[in-house]
Amino acid sequence: ETGVTQSPTHLIKTRGQQVTLRCSSQSGHNTVSWYQQALGQGPQFIFQYYREEENGRGNFPPRFSGLQFPNYSSELNVNALELDDSALYLCASSLPDRGSYGYTFGSGTRLTVV
Amino acid sequence: QKEVEQDPGPLSVPEGAIVSLNCTYSNSAFQYFMWYRQYSRKGPELLMYTYSSGNKEDGRFTAQVDKSSKYISLFIRDSQPSDSATYLCAISGTSYGKLTFGQGTILTVHP
Repeated sequence: ETGVTQSPTHLIKTRGQQVTLRCSSQSGHNTVSWYQQALGQGPQFIFQYYREEENGRGNFPPRFSGLQFPNYSSELNVNALELDDSALYLCASSLPDRGSYGYTFGSGTRLTVV
Repeated sequence: QKEVEQDPGPLSVPEGAIVSLNCTYSNSAFQYFMWYRQYSRKGPELLMYTYSSGNKEDGRFTAQVDKSSKYISLFIRDSQPSDSATYLCAISGTSYGKLTFGQGTILTVHP
């Protein structure tokens, strides 16, 4: 049973709209990362938060933004949706002493932009 | 050139076969090497983790890292139909850094 819960499971949005995806991590998981996984591809790193501060970002435009909250939940916001944003969005969290190998992934949110 | 290259397959083997999955990478700064398994409609789950070069064994799974060749491998012995999934290699340069994934190899083990 994964300790990372993502909502919603599926979502359909229209090009140009804005979307917020949510992630709830286990208690103590103060590092959270978001990944985008296009169909048939491996996950691509969007950004990472540590203690509510962004501390790493991949090659994604500023319209991708995030928040991490003290209760170990987090959000991924995407503005001005484009068709290419259609993908599975994965949240991964880790305990402070586990590092890169300690990430637990959620089952993801499947976003379709039409 | 992608930082991590992985043959996407698909790979189809009979039950009981030995499976070899491979990735190559370009950045010698990578120090942490992982293999994830992803079932359909699920997130990736960690199978194996290796720091620097060497071998690591866990049951039917063996991970190998050859930093001189920038080559990592995952071997699955006595493969089972339940091993059918997408296998992703992932690499990181730091203990808390981002994971760089390969494309994933789709494996099917048929009875």
